[in-house]
Amino acid sequence: GAVVSQHPSRVICKSGTSVKIECRSLDFQATTMFWYRQFPKKSLMLMATSNEGSKATYEQGVEKDKFLINHASLTLSTLTVTSAHPEDSSFYICSARVGGSVNTEAFFGQGTRLTVV
Amino acid sequence: SQQGEEDPQALSIQEGENATMNCSYKTSINNLQWYRQNSGRGLVHLILIRSNEREKHSGRLRVTLDTSKKSSSLLITASRAADTASYFCATDSYGNNRLAFGKGNQVVVIP
Repeated sequence: GAVVSQHPSRVICKSGTSVKIECRSLDFQATTMFWYRQFPKKSLMLMATSNEGSKATYEQGVEKDKFLINHASLTLSTLTVTSAHPEDSSFYICSARVGGSVNTEAFFGQGTRLTVV
Repeated sequence: SQQGEEDPQALSIQEGENATMNCSYKTSINNLQWYRQNSGRGLVHLILIRSNEREKHSGRLRVTLDTSKKSSSLLITASRAADTASYFCATDSYGNNRLAFGKGNQVVVIP
């Protein structure tokens, strides 16, 4: 199957700093990627849909100035958590679908555990 | 409530037993998918069932879909310790290529 690589897998940062998370599709082109946030023992909450060459679409309640998304190429989307606070600590996961169409499975990155101290 | 806020269901079984978990959704769907997540890792796709299908098999997995009740079930037969994980259903709605995830089911298979 297709491979999505997410980096870093773990990051610890100080409160007030910014953190960038990368999501790459290794063997396919992804015009659309998805960013999720997952709290402990909870389901995945879709944060935003990343669109290559255009602005991301954010879900209701997600601050776009807080969570900056850039999708500059067909294989790379980045999520930057700006001015991080302890409440931003969470597990962030990206995914992409081959062809971006329905009736296809999603491929997920390994996830990034962000801890803000 | 907003999707994903509920606590997942938990199931603890002995190795060799079958594990059944359920999923409910609210909207009309194009298909429903099941994913597996090991602790602290990303999700792995298990099986996809289309809205016009009622049952699907893949190895030790059996999925059913009842669109009239907006529910699905995943059965894992002859469970193994390696099946210990969280299992999520996700729905794919018409005109929308985003997946909406259910609350998840935590399965522990005791050797």
